[in-house]
Amino acid sequence: SQQGEEDPQALSIQEGENATMNCSYKTSINNLQWYRQNSGRGLVHLILIRSNEREKHSGRLRVTLDTSKKSSSLLITASRAADTASYFCATVLPANTGNQFYFGTGTSLTVIP
Amino acid sequence: TAGITQAPTSQILAAGRSMTLRCTQDMRHNAMYWYRQDLGLGLRLIHYSNTAGTTGKGEVPDGYSVSRANTDDFPLTLASAVPSQTSVYFCASSRDAYQPQHFGDGTRLSIL
Repeated sequence: SQQGEEDPQALSIQEGENATMNCSYKTSINNLQWYRQNSGRGLVHLILIRSNEREKHSGRLRVTLDTSKKSSSLLITASRAADTASYFCATVLPANTGNQFYFGTGTSLTVIP
Repeated sequence: TAGITQAPTSQILAAGRSMTLRCTQDMRHNAMYWYRQDLGLGLRLIHYSNTAGTTGKGEVPDGYSVSRANTDDFPLTLASAVPSQTSVYFCASSRDAYQPQHFGDGTRLSIL
């Protein structure tokens, strides 16, 4: 399977702390994307990092990509209770051979006020 | 607000009955997707369509069919529902197969 795998499966932190989630994948990618899902809602895209990029920032989010290790990390700084959600990585394959999008199983983040 | 609309939001269905889940997008996106989400299994792709008139099978296509007659609509049909199809179903769309996906809020389906 091309599916990314997130680590840890669940994470609980205090408000104000940083949260780090990791994603590992198996083959070459065109890009990697991170999504957030609040309970009972659809996924929302957070950030996209291309295979030739190593780091991207968006507000309190920082994403890194190490293609040699086939891994990515999502860092949320100064977490807030409202960041409580599940976070998914999605790997997008380079070749246009049908479906190219593969979601991982997610990390459940709980931020305690 | 523009985006993806799924209907119904929830449904209880007797086993053996057929059902069509509706999905419409107004963003003129080329690609559309159907996923099911079960606890502990993440999102699993059922079917996808990279452009109107074409469809493809995902990871778990058995028991489901789709059509893509136009850009905006991508209905998912369960021909004869079974209890293992109890799940939350999400429709998504993207400009193309590489771009971020936009998701609907899901259909919660229970097969009894």
